[in-house]
Amino acid sequence: ETGVTQSPTHLIKTRGQQVTLRCSSQSGHNTVSWYQQALGQGPQFIFQYYREEENGRGNFPPRFSGLQFPNYSSELNVNALELDDSALYLCASTDRASTDTQYFGPGTRLTVL
Amino acid sequence: QKEVEQNSGPLSVPEGAIASLNCTYSDRGSQSFFWYRQYSGKSPELIMSIYSNGDKEDGRFTAQLNKASQYVSLLIRDSQPSDSATYLCARERDSSYKLIFGSGTRLLVRP
Repeated sequence: ETGVTQSPTHLIKTRGQQVTLRCSSQSGHNTVSWYQQALGQGPQFIFQYYREEENGRGNFPPRFSGLQFPNYSSELNVNALELDDSALYLCASTDRASTDTQYFGPGTRLTVL
Repeated sequence: QKEVEQNSGPLSVPEGAIASLNCTYSDRGSQSFFWYRQYSGKSPELIMSIYSNGDKEDGRFTAQLNKASQYVSLLIRDSQPSDSATYLCARERDSSYKLIFGSGTRLLVRP
């Protein structure tokens, strides 16, 4: 167990809907990154939050947005869901002061119908 | 050219054998590399990190890095059926704590 938690575990939505995924980082970790993993692929970087500010973004459209809260937990929001958004969404946390190792949560499996 | 390339496999080895997993990358400036193991339906789990040229050993696992040739490998000695999983190679982008992953190599260890 990494100490990183995510909710919900599974989610089913329909095209056009909006979804919010949540992540609680490991205690003391101030950096949270979100990744999307499609079936049979490696995780792809979506964006990262450091001390409540977005700190870099991958090649994802603006309908993917996020937040980080003062306790370093984070949300990933996806608007206008598309079928291709079906994937495992992973968050990973790290404490920049001590390591560059990222610890992954269990993921949220999103299915868009 | 993909930034991190891995053979998708499956790589099939008998129990007790050495499994050799390879990864190449395109950015010569990369400094930090990671191997993650992912069981089906689960999230990636860190096995090894490596930063310097040469070998790094941890139990049955050895990571090898060659920056001149831009490859990193993972050797698993005395492979066990429980090692059957997908192994993801990743590099850190620009010391930014952002990981770029390969698509993974599926390893099957036959009893």
